[in-house]
Amino acid sequence: DTAVSQTPKYLVTQMGNDKSIKCEQNLGHDTMYWYKQDSKKFLKIMFSYNNKELIINETVPNRFSPKSPDKAHLNLHINSLELGDSAVYFCASSQVFTAGQPQHFGDGTRLSIL
Amino acid sequence: DQQVKQNSPSLSVQEGRISILNCDYTNSMFDYFLWYKKYPAEGPTFLISISSIKDKNEDGRFTVFLNKSAKHLSLHIVPSQPGDSAVYFCAASAEGGATNKLIFGTGTLLAVQP
Repeated sequence: DTAVSQTPKYLVTQMGNDKSIKCEQNLGHDTMYWYKQDSKKFLKIMFSYNNKELIINETVPNRFSPKSPDKAHLNLHINSLELGDSAVYFCASSQVFTAGQPQHFGDGTRLSIL
Repeated sequence: DQQVKQNSPSLSVQEGRISILNCDYTNSMFDYFLWYKKYPAEGPTFLISISSIKDKNEDGRFTVFLNKSAKHLSLHIVPSQPGDSAVYFCAASAEGGATNKLIFGTGTLLAVQP
């Protein structure tokens, strides 16, 4: 029974397209996150939501828009995809957003832009 | 500016011996440090954490040591097992501001040889 699940696992698309990645957690956690792992394997936070409210918004192009319909779901929509958006995107959740709380990660969505 | 650094990209250890993975950080405001393990095509899995008020935390075969004055932490795995072969990420977070924002190192690939 997967705790944090992301769909799709792989996404291959053309430059300029719009795409969405979905994330769901069944852990009953309050806080969810999106991370990007680039080609150098560097994992960097993009967004965080706590109880459907945006609490972390890193310096990310506004082509990226997260949406949290409820606290179990955090989706990521990307407009006008660019070559540099190719990466692995990880969703994560934690019980609360207190510092030091372990975050539970999904298995990632590998996005490839042609 | 990378605030969390793992200077060894890879480490090879014999089964049964001790594995020592190192991590350095620059931000003295970090209060919590976490270690994650990652297998290929999977998300990072939380292993063990330590608060800045402690200098050691142990969980089974895994022990994390923190040296605040040197801004250095290490993860010891003993005895090492072939199933421990994975990429290990060090991460840090600070109380206050955007709480539970994890800053990750670039990872160390551990290979445990049978």
